Amino acid sequence: DAGVTQSPTHLIKTRGQHVTLRCSPISGHKSVSWYQQVLGQGPQFIFQYYEKEERGRGNFPDRFSARQFPNYSSELNVNALLLGDSALYLCASSPGPTANTEAFFGQGTRLTVV
Amino acid sequence: GESVGLHLPTLSVQEGDNSIINCAYSNSASDYFIWYKQESGKGPQFIIDIRSNMDKRQGQRVTVLLNKTVKHLSLQIAATQPGDSAVYFCAEKKSGTYKYIFGTGTRLKVLA
Repeated sequence: DAGVTQSPTHLIKTRGQHVTLRCSPISGHKSVSWYQQVLGQGPQFIFQYYEKEERGRGNFPDRFSARQFPNYSSELNVNALLLGDSALYLCASSPGPTANTEAFFGQGTRLTVV
Repeated sequence: GESVGLHLPTLSVQEGDNSIINCAYSNSASDYFIWYKQESGKGPQFIIDIRSNMDKRQGQRVTVLLNKTVKHLSLQIAATQPGDSAVYFCAEKKSGTYKYIFGTGTRLKVLA
């Protein structure tokens, strides 16, 4: 079985540009969450989507947005990139939005803003 | 590969010894806890979980202990192996909510 897949694995962007990151959850999982992991820290929650609707949002500016498609895959968009957006962006899938079960993480997308 | 955490607390143990990694969680209402292992360049990988109605749970070579009184979680790894070298994160969650709150992480180094 395929796990959570993210693309691209690495990305370099210039300040002010826009970026789109993609995630495919585990088959059968309807919930996708996005986390940002800055070097030296634990992952920080950005968004959760379930059944194509935003169910939760962390403390991130409006430059961050996301959406979920009918096949439950998801995109994370970041506009007007800042140097501080450089991080590992992780996607996690789970069966439902609030279930107390493990979240399965992808390998992440390493974004570098220069 | 890239380092997950350059300035994390580090625990160094001899191969074959037992490791204990500690975590203080933040929300007394949290009722579900997970330990994740993260190797360089990879996403977090599930190790073991525990619900708040338990104070101990054992897996293969790993044990998680939960002390709700002091909001403390620990991960014990028996007979630590070189493949256990990684950064370990605890995460907490409250029923009915949607996000996991991660701790700052501990780097485990296994010495040959």
